Amino acid sequence: EAGVTQFPSHSVIEKGQTVTLRCDPISGHDNLYWYRRVMGKEIKFLLHFVKESKQDESGMPNNRFLAERTGGTYSTLKVQPAELEDSGVYFCASSQGQGMNTEAFFGQGTRLTVV
Amino acid sequence: LAKTTQPISMDSYEGQEVNITCSHNNIATNDYITWYQQFPSQGPRFIIQGYKTKVTNEVASLFIPADRKSSTLSLPRVSLSDTAVYYCLVGEVSGTYKYIFGTGTRLKVLA
Repeated sequence: EAGVTQFPSHSVIEKGQTVTLRCDPISGHDNLYWYRRVMGKEIKFLLHFVKESKQDESGMPNNRFLAERTGGTYSTLKVQPAELEDSGVYFCASSQGQGMNTEAFFGQGTRLTVV
Repeated sequence: LAKTTQPISMDSYEGQEVNITCSHNNIATNDYITWYQQFPSQGPRFIIQGYKTKVTNEVASLFIPADRKSSTLSLPRVSLSDTAVYYCLVGEVSGTYKYIFGTGTRLKVLA
């Protein structure tokens, strides 16, 4: 069974440009999460989807970030316009159930560099 | 929010048992304790999870005292491939998978 896959693995863009990150969760996982780690900082929660609905987006840093999960399958995270401080590694995770007694599976991450 | 505290780094030698202790003094009644492992350029990977007492799987053991204010991840006979960052996570009461990652413990296994 395929794990959580993220695309691209690396992205280098200029300040002011737009970048879209994609996450394909494990098939059948209704719950999808986005996290990120900016340089030198800890991994931070961004938001949580249950199917196509945003359950919790309290971690989204500002309105330059837009996450979607149309159809409740894959998800995209768009950054527009990108700023230098957006550089970091963006992780996606999925789980079958909610709650802390279920296991979340993480993708390998997308390394975003804004220059 | 339950916050965790764990050592920043640890060194060990191949074949030794490694114990990493995590403090979570503000853990809530419904919180579970979960440990993740992360290799460079990869996403975190689930190792083990528990609520109280002891949990053991094929990879590790997790010891949780009665007050649940701390937990210890035990890795038996580590090898070089166990060199990684280990995160102790405590779940929020709300039930959403909103993990709070701390700094983690960087384990280095030496030959």
